[in-house]
This record gives sequence, C-alpha cells and structure tokens, in this order.
Amino acid sequence: GAVVSQHPSWVICKSGTSVKIECRSLDFQATTMFWYRQFPKQSLMLMATSNEGSKATYEQGVEKDKFLINHASLTLSTLTVTSAHPEDSSFYICSATGTGYEQYFGPGTRLTVT
Amino acid sequence: AQKVTQAQTEISVVEKEDVTLDCVYETRDTTYYLFWYKQPPSGELVFLIRRNSFDEQNEISGRYSWNFQKSTSSFNFTITASQVVDSAVYFCALRNFMNSGYSTLTFGKGTMLLVSP
Repeated sequence: GAVVSQHPSWVICKSGTSVKIECRSLDFQATTMFWYRQFPKQSLMLMATSNEGSKATYEQGVEKDKFLINHASLTLSTLTVTSAHPEDSSFYICSATGTGYEQYFGPGTRLTVT
Repeated sequence: AQKVTQAQTEISVVEKEDVTLDCVYETRDTTYYLFWYKQPPSGELVFLIRRNSFDEQNEISGRYSWNFQKSTSSFNFTITASQVVDSAVYFCALRNFMNSGYSTLTFGKGTMLLVSP
C-alpha cells in the first residue's frame, strides 16, 4: 500500500514553454502533498506543501508564479513549471501523506529544459 | 530551526567491507522522527528506517544496523559486508512531529557510497 506515482518520469521541453507534472496517490487519500526539487549531487529541497482544496504554501525563495501547484483532489496534485528555463532543469519529487504523518515518495520526474 | 548534517560527502569501500554513515541532527522538539533513505541512480527514494525520539534501541535488519544516540544527537547507519548493490546516495532526514497541522522533513545533504568489487 501507500503508492505514489508521478507522470511523466522524464520530460524534455524547450525554453519558454510550460510543463505539468502530476503526482497521484494510488491507494490512499492524500490530505497533504509535498513537492521537492533536487539538483544533481544535491539534497532534496522542499519547494511547497499543498493541502487538498487549499492554496499551496511555498518555501522561501520559491517563486509561486513560476511553480504553480494545484491540489484539486485527494489523490492528485500537479506542479506546473511555467516559462521554463534551463536553470529549472532538475529532478522533481513529490510525496504525500494520508491520515498519518508518514510521507510516501513518488519516483520523481526528471525535467530537462533546452 | 532543524538541521541534519551528514559530514561524509562520499565514501568508497571495497566489497565486503563494513561502512558507517554518520548523521547528526539538531532540533528543539522533544518528539521527532529520524529516517534513512537510499537513493540509487534511478532516483527513486527507498525508505530504510524510521525511528522516533523515544526509542533509543538500536536496530538491525539483515546487513543494516542503526545506532541512535540521543545524548550526541546522532543516528548512524552501518552496512555490514557491503555489496556493489549498496552503491547509492543515502540521506538522513528529520521530521518534526507537528508543524502548522502537518509535518515536514528536513534532509541532510546525503552521503554517496561507492562499493567496488
């Protein structure tokens, strides 16, 4: 149980375009979802936390107009990178919690902006 | 503020050697959880262990063992008889019990373990 999926697993897009990443909890209802970004050879950095039906809470330094997060249902959260640039190339990982506080991680999405 | 320090950036060992990955944490909370995750080259985080702040018993799971020392704020991870498949980045993480209705994870910078044949 407690499986989290992400789609796509990897994506290449051109500079200036937007890309959407989906995070789904497959067998539980995720009241809270988290989005992390990981640059090569670095740790996971929390970008934002979202609760179903509420606006996301962004960490300091994360541009909320650039990284749009929507948590419209208890099983789906999306991260849209708007007007992507090469410096946005990174590994994006989501996690989700249900009724407890355990975070279950998705497999990650590798974004390359050319 | 919470902080997790993994001072070892990279460790290289030869297969069958034992290796210990260090983790030191800082928190003002009296109730917290500590975690270890493995991140192989594929990128997916693999959960290894969770330990709460009230349980200082060491744990062994196969070739893996964990030493939790509250007095020194450390939660070290030992792999016995390492294997090539153990090569990965290992993250130590700290979760506070409650923060504004949800809990967040603070990750260390990770230790890359390279096990050569």
